[in-house]
Amino acid sequence: SQTIHQWPATLVQPVGSPLSLECTVEGTSNPNLYWYRQAAGRGLQLLFYSVGIGQISSEVPQNLSASRPQDRQFILSSKKLLLSDSGFYLCAWRPLGGLSAFFGQGTRLTVV
Amino acid sequence: AQKVTQAQTEISVVEKEDVTLDCVYETRDTTYYLFWYKQPPSGELVFLIRRNSFDEQNEISGRYSWNFQKSTSSFNFTITASQVVDSAVYFCALSHGYNFNKFYFGSGTKLNVKP
Repeated sequence: SQTIHQWPATLVQPVGSPLSLECTVEGTSNPNLYWYRQAAGRGLQLLFYSVGIGQISSEVPQNLSASRPQDRQFILSSKKLLLSDSGFYLCAWRPLGGLSAFFGQGTRLTVV
Repeated sequence: AQKVTQAQTEISVVEKEDVTLDCVYETRDTTYYLFWYKQPPSGELVFLIRRNSFDEQNEISGRYSWNFQKSTSSFNFTITASQVVDSAVYFCALSHGYNFNKFYFGSGTKLNVKP
């Protein structure tokens, strides 16, 4: 069966520090991968998606970047965090040819 | 433009009551997909259901049922005989029929089921 792992679960970082959140999917090949952000009390905002290794589509211009170094690995990064980067970050995957997305457990990021 | 509206920010019910969560969507696509996800306190989004725009049949899964009405652009979710474990934030979402990479989520409805 397929599983998605996302870590860390929680993170507190000072303003101006770098960020690296990692997401991996097991049990599938060529998944589409996604990073979403959920601000407090709000819906989910799509940040990036990837249809293959090295292929990244950015939905919202911002302080963040994404990379996909391996087929089932998706990384969200920042060189310098801002206070506004605080939120709940969710990684998701969709099987090749599938219609539904499945989510990881999320990372709660607090920038102080 | 794609848009999903969940007008109910928070709902509180007592256990065993029935509750309906509303979802209204906007799209110009003729083919699209609608989804419901559950987000328990742990944070992970749990997939509940997917419907395509050509299938207006209502669906029932145990205590859960979904009412899809294209005439009113609504995809409402009813929980019958609610339980404390149903307490969560529920999200309705919409995707294009031609680009499954873009999901448009509503702002969510927080459901509190009290014992």
